[in-house]
Amino acid sequence: KAGVTQTPRYLIKTRGQQVTLSCSPISGHRSVSWYQQTPGQGLQFLFEYFSETQRNKGNFPGRFSGRQFSNSRSEMNVSTLELGDSALYLCASSLNSGANTGELFFGEGSRLTVL
Amino acid sequence: QKEVEQNSGPLSVPEGAIASLNCTYSDRVSQSFFWYRQYSGKSPELIMSIYSNGDKEDGRFTAQLNKASQYVSLLIRDSQPSDSATYLCAVNRDDKIIFGKGTRLHILP
Repeated sequence: KAGVTQTPRYLIKTRGQQVTLSCSPISGHRSVSWYQQTPGQGLQFLFEYFSETQRNKGNFPGRFSGRQFSNSRSEMNVSTLELGDSALYLCASSLNSGANTGELFFGEGSRLTVL
Repeated sequence: QKEVEQNSGPLSVPEGAIASLNCTYSDRVSQSFFWYRQYSGKSPELIMSIYSNGDKEDGRFTAQLNKASQYVSLLIRDSQPSDSATYLCAVNRDDKIIFGKGTRLHILP
């Protein structure tokens, strides 16, 4: 059974640009959650999508957005990039809502560097 | 007060000893608690979940929950060098899974 796939794995952007990250969950999983991981703040919740609907959102500015498609694949977008957006962005899938089960299966992440 | 607090470590434990990892949380209404392990350069993986007060054992791992004290712990018996990792405590709060910053555990051979 294939795991969670995130693309791209690494990317470098400059301030002001925008970026789109992709996540393909485990087959049959309907929930996708996104987290930002930095050495200083740890894992911070961005949002969760379940059946194409955003279930919940963390305390991030509106520059961070996401969506989920009918095949459960998800994308997140960050517009007007800032230096502080440099981080590892982790996607996690779960069979049902991750918030209910806590059983999150993480991808390997997309490491974003903003110059 | 941070929502989920953990000592960042590193916690150094001799091989074969018991490693004790602790976590406190701020929201009394939280009902679900989890321990994730993250090896350096890898993604977190779920190792234990606990929902009721008391102990839950799974192999060498024991999770302990005390809701009155808002305290969760993870014990690792017979610690092995392969247990060296960062252990993340996570709590269900407001329909979100919130993580602590993790405790780095180093098992000394």
